[in-house]
Amino acid sequence: AQTVTQSQPEMSVQEAETVTLSCTYDTSENNYYLFWYKQPPSRQMILVIRQEAYKQQNATENRFSVNFQKAAKSFSLKISDSQLGDTAMYFCAFVNAGNNRKLIWGLGTSLAVNP
Amino acid sequence: NAGVTQTPKFQVLKTGQSMTLQCAQDMNHEYMSWYRQDPGMGLRLIHYSVGAGITDQGEVPNGYNVSRSTTEDFPLRLLSAAPSQTSVYFCASRSILGFGANVLTFGAGSRLTVL
Repeated sequence: AQTVTQSQPEMSVQEAETVTLSCTYDTSENNYYLFWYKQPPSRQMILVIRQEAYKQQNATENRFSVNFQKAAKSFSLKISDSQLGDTAMYFCAFVNAGNNRKLIWGLGTSLAVNP
Repeated sequence: NAGVTQTPKFQVLKTGQSMTLQCAQDMNHEYMSWYRQDPGMGLRLIHYSVGAGITDQGEVPNGYNVSRSTTEDFPLRLLSAAPSQTSVYFCASRSILGFGANVLTFGAGSRLTVL
């Protein structure tokens, strides 16, 4: 079965510091996409970053970057210079390539950024 | 602004009542879906559609109906509400092809309480 595991239900970090959220997944396919979504207290789900499995280079978006280890099926999110607005639930997800494929979601990591 | 619009944002129902959650997107996305989000259970797919006239079941379809008569709209119907359907519901859409393919855009969510 295809699964996504986020082993850290809750994390906290001091403002301006760096934090890494872990995510592992399981799929037998070779071509897929990985995502991190953020859900702040407002409830709106927002895409943070995306990685194509065929790309070896790790994706970055400003203060957000990933460490993608395909062989280990690991996709961690690093948040640098944490800000109070980063306080949110973070969900890891992947989808196998193909038109009708469904996203597989982790259960989320609740991140609190402390002043 | 372009995006996914969900209504209503909040709704309280009595057991046995029916209602429809509305979802509309203006991005010409082929794929639309409904999720429910419950504490500790992440996001669970209820129903999805890959185009007008085509719908299919997700993980937790029981008690819900959908239809897709146009590309833009994907309403979710609760025919006889039950307390177990108390949840936050998200509509999400994505393009199947192109650079943005597989990236879900979410609505703001609808909090439903069934008494």
